[in-house]
Amino acid sequence: EPEVTQTPSHQVTQMGQEVILRCVPISNHLYFYWYRQILGQKVEFLVSFYNNEISEKSEIFDDQFSVERPDGSNFTLKIRSTKLEDSAMYFCASTFGGGNTEAFFGQGTRLTVV
Amino acid sequence: RKEVEQDPGPFNVPEGATVAFNCTYSNSASQSFFWYRQDCRKEPKLLMSVYSSGNEDGRFTAQLNRASQYISLLIRDSKLSDSATYLCAGEANDYKLSFGAGTTVTVRA
Repeated sequence: EPEVTQTPSHQVTQMGQEVILRCVPISNHLYFYWYRQILGQKVEFLVSFYNNEISEKSEIFDDQFSVERPDGSNFTLKIRSTKLEDSAMYFCASTFGGGNTEAFFGQGTRLTVV
Repeated sequence: RKEVEQDPGPFNVPEGATVAFNCTYSNSASQSFFWYRQDCRKEPKLLMSVYSSGNEDGRFTAQLNRASQYISLLIRDSKLSDSATYLCAGEANDYKLSFGAGTTVTVRA
């Protein structure tokens, strides 16, 4: 069964450092997403990406965040200067179509900022 | 007002019991709804999609009431393996999912 894969599974970084979280969406999917979940809280939308550009971003997704699809398979989330409050699970998701289609999530990257 | 709200539970039920819980949404533009299952510190896994009035898949039944803006999930003949957090998510025309905080279900032997 095709799946979304994310690396690394756990990343520990010092405050102020840059991190790149990587995702390989399902190969025939066209829409890509990043969500995050702070421990004990709900899953929150960060950004959606289609046709090599951002479709929508939430207020969480400020100038410290960026996304990129550097090749035909990878989809990355970069946080330029991490803060303690960036500590969370980051989930990548992909869908084949836009609306009314089911999103499949990767297993997540646990980011710990110390 | 939160876009999607759920009863956090926990719902503690014996094996074989039926458990049901609701999710309310505030965005009337929401078109599609989904129930995801999330195990501790794992990714959300799609359980059911709810596009029209309802959907049934084995022991799981989801109902959508657009007039009252709520979705329900019913689990029949609960198994120990059903213990998880159930996330309700709504999708409007912007294709992103808005999640509730989740309902915790614990099935005991």
